[in-house]
Amino acid sequence: EVQLVESGGDLVQPGGSLRLSCAASGFTFSSDWMDWVRQAPGKGLEWVANIKGDGSEKYYVESVKGRFTISRDNAKNSLYLQMNSLRAEDSAVYYCSRSLNDWGRGTLVTVSS
Amino acid sequence: DIQMTQSPSSLSASVGDRVTITCRASQGIRNDLGWCQQKPGQAPKRLIYGASILLSGVPSRFSGSGSGAEFTLTISSLEPEDFATYYCLQYNSYPRTFGQGTKLEIK
Repeated sequence: EVQLVESGGDLVQPGGSLRLSCAASGFTFSSDWMDWVRQAPGKGLEWVANIKGDGSEKYYVESVKGRFTISRDNAKNSLYLQMNSLRAEDSAVYYCSRSLNDWGRGTLVTVSS
Repeated sequence: DIQMTQSPSSLSASVGDRVTITCRASQGIRNDLGWCQQKPGQAPKRLIYGASILLSGVPSRFSGSGSGAEFTLTISSLEPEDFATYYCLQYNSYPRTFGQGTKLEIK
């Protein structure tokens, strides 16, 4: 059974940084693209970034380019999202997803002073 | 970016009804289209990929169709557990984009 467990969400001030993690199990992690998707309170889903199985390709939504970095450690079956220069509009539940097929329960990021 | 537009934005229906949700892409995306279901307080659940292929375990009352720029999700006979918000998603190009969602409510 595929399991994805996010962690690292917190309350952070505007301009601050946060690193989200996603622990994966139940599949061959290194073979799959992994995505981050977010959902602001009461809003719809927004794709944030993804990364190829070997880490050689990464893509981002325009609004986070230059501020967020997606990475993975296949030895640890883990996915990460380093978020810098955070803004109020980055406040959301962040979901880790295996190729947008399987999803974790999410971790809440709140950017507020 | 490819814009995905769903209609209707909300829908009231009864158990046993047949419902259809439409998703239109701002440009052709072949059949690179999926559908997700989300219940309040829960993570999304992928139902369909490739416009019409049901993921394992998804009930057969769900079906998807379409290609190019217009797609539909049909639920043939609503069950109580189907009341949720549904999103279409294109994965033809970057950035991946979702429709705004269709909230399916009990009449």
